[in-house]
Amino acid sequence: LAKTTQPISMDSYEGQEVNITCSHNNIATNDYITWYQQFPSQGPRFIIQGYKTKVTNEVASLFIPADRKSSTLSLPRVSLSDTAVYYCLVESPYSSASKIIFGSGTRLSIRP
Amino acid sequence: GAVVSQHPSRVICKSGTSVKIECRSLDFQATTMFWYRQFPKQSLMLMATSNEGSKATYEQGVEKDKFLINHASLTLSTLTVTSAHPEDSSFYICSANPLDPFNSTDTQYFGPGTRLTVL
Repeated sequence: LAKTTQPISMDSYEGQEVNITCSHNNIATNDYITWYQQFPSQGPRFIIQGYKTKVTNEVASLFIPADRKSSTLSLPRVSLSDTAVYYCLVESPYSSASKIIFGSGTRLSIRP
Repeated sequence: GAVVSQHPSRVICKSGTSVKIECRSLDFQATTMFWYRQFPKQSLMLMATSNEGSKATYEQGVEKDKFLINHASLTLSTLTVTSAHPEDSSFYICSANPLDPFNSTDTQYFGPGTRLTVL
């Protein structure tokens, strides 16, 4: 299982773009990178998933360099409601039995 | 998207009693479900892998006789905390992966969590 490393915490302001980088040096060939968001007393919520290059959806973008040893979650124009913990995970989506291990996550605080 | 539910959402019990937490996949079948525990200000810690029709696989350091897991159907897994003590108070979360064969990027879906408080 690939271990992930992220900054413990980040602060930003409303309207700014926030980039959270995660390192996963031991990622396997078939692994995907997934980011989850968790609010207090709730289960994690899927944000975005990618394999390589760039993926964009309605809430975020995910940038993955060619060596795939890191990834960057980009949140455009954050608001107060984006204050949460963000987890970067490495998953093998080809097996429903493939367990995932959570790292420390990044506690993002957005200020007015 | 896929939905995973948990019941109850919160429970308070006396020390020494047992508590059962249910995890259901509402619109898909899951041969495998996962149980996590999360203490305040900490990350999720994987406790065990629940396998339909067979024994659960526990992570190192997790007592299988204390945390009983039953995966009786393709949509339901239960976690029973036996002889609960105050140190078992935590947030318990389950997850499952629909594994859609037509969608290679399917991922884990998490339940809303169950807050257990042992007095």
